[in-house]
Amino acid sequence: RKEVEQDPGPFNVPEGATVAFNCTYSNSASQSFFWYRQDCRKEPKLLMSVYSSGNEDGRFTAQLNRASQYISLLIRDSKLSDSATYLCVVIGNNRKLIWGLGTSLAVNP
Amino acid sequence: ETGVTQTPRHLVMGMTNKKSLKCEQHLGHNAMYWYKQSAKKPLELMFVYNFKEQTENNSVPSRFSPECPNSSHLFLHLHTLQPEDSALYLCASSQVALAGGPLTKNIQYFGAGTRLSVL
Repeated sequence: RKEVEQDPGPFNVPEGATVAFNCTYSNSASQSFFWYRQDCRKEPKLLMSVYSSGNEDGRFTAQLNRASQYISLLIRDSKLSDSATYLCVVIGNNRKLIWGLGTSLAVNP
Repeated sequence: ETGVTQTPRHLVMGMTNKKSLKCEQHLGHNAMYWYKQSAKKPLELMFVYNFKEQTENNSVPSRFSPECPNSSHLFLHLHTLQPEDSALYLCASSQVALAGGPLTKNIQYFGAGTRLSVL
């Protein structure tokens, strides 16, 4: 099992749709979780930190499920500008930092 | 405008060349990182520096040689590279390196990267 796994997609959704991505991790003692966004040929940029209790930022909601060892990202009312690759990153209790491969999202008009 | 700047943005080099990548951060951070990003692969963490000291080297070949003269600057010296080393090389910084405690300390900010082609 990979240390961090994401469905690479692509996810093709129409504008206004709600879409969700998951990211599973193998180290049950992982401590820190983040979602980053990477546009084509650009650098990754932080989208959201993921808090234990879940957190929301506008149209974006992040959740952590420790029992099943995954984090999720929900995007509501998708915009064309949301088209990007969404990367999850996990920091384990061993201070090892692992990135997922990313999930590609295309929002279509 | 990013607080992390990388130069050059593009680099083409032959296998016998020696070149260096430069990274500078203006965020007052204490940790800096080099990553390699290849097509269809996750970001690969190469080196970690915390307060100028190298704290992680993820089995990177010796043809890649990092240098961190201070907390704001990071270099990656390249020599006798192979074609498979062609990739996007990203520099990042954070308040500290892979610490416990508040998530904010671990947030990484990236430079725009150097796209390297080895011929």
